[in-house]
Amino acid sequence: GENVEQHPSTLSVQEGDSAVIKCTYSDSASNYFPWYKQELGKRPQLIIDIRSNVGEKKDQRIAVTLNKTAKHFSLHITETQPEDSAVYFCAATLYGNNRLAFGKGNQVVVIP
Amino acid sequence: NAGVTQTPKFRVLKTGQSMTLLCAQDMNHEYMYWYRQDPGMGLRLIHYSVGEGTTAKGEVPDGYNVSRLKKQNFLLGLESAAPSQTSVYFCASSYSHRDRAHVGQYFGPGTRLTVT
Repeated sequence: GENVEQHPSTLSVQEGDSAVIKCTYSDSASNYFPWYKQELGKRPQLIIDIRSNVGEKKDQRIAVTLNKTAKHFSLHITETQPEDSAVYFCAATLYGNNRLAFGKGNQVVVIP
Repeated sequence: NAGVTQTPKFRVLKTGQSMTLLCAQDMNHEYMYWYRQDPGMGLRLIHYSVGEGTTAKGEVPDGYNVSRLKKQNFLLGLESAAPSQTSVYFCASSYSHRDRAHVGQYFGPGTRLTVT
């Protein structure tokens, strides 16, 4: 089945710096790649997504890039703020697009 | 519009007891999912449904059963709870894009279950 891996598992950044989280996937048929943010004790929330026919997508301070050849995609957070501290999950579609395989998550800590 | 709701929020069970977790969505979504989340393991799919009356196994289905009798509800049952089923359970739903491409899943608030 699909295998989605995230690196690094924990990332600490100074407030105002950028954070980058990378995910790799194994199924070349995957065509949709969402990112979720989960604050402590809360539900995962979709923050940005990208489809396989697009190389990059931006939404204010966050962006996602996709490299289909290398089978990896990355989340970029610029000008980090304390409220960006959370666990971030990447995911990729598998089995005909009605399921997602999730990575194990990255803990991002923004140091004020 | 409540989105995705789950009941109960918390529950403590003794080994061998049974219970049902209820997920409800008011967004008219076709797809619904049950995940469990354990520390360091991310989100693992238990069962899912692509429409009313249909269910399918996910990554970790053993020890769980599900039913989707109504489009808006997806029930997760534990027939004989075990300590290994201590976890946070999340329900999610999504709709089918017009070109059948996947769209993002919307999650409920979670149910924290402890089995002693």
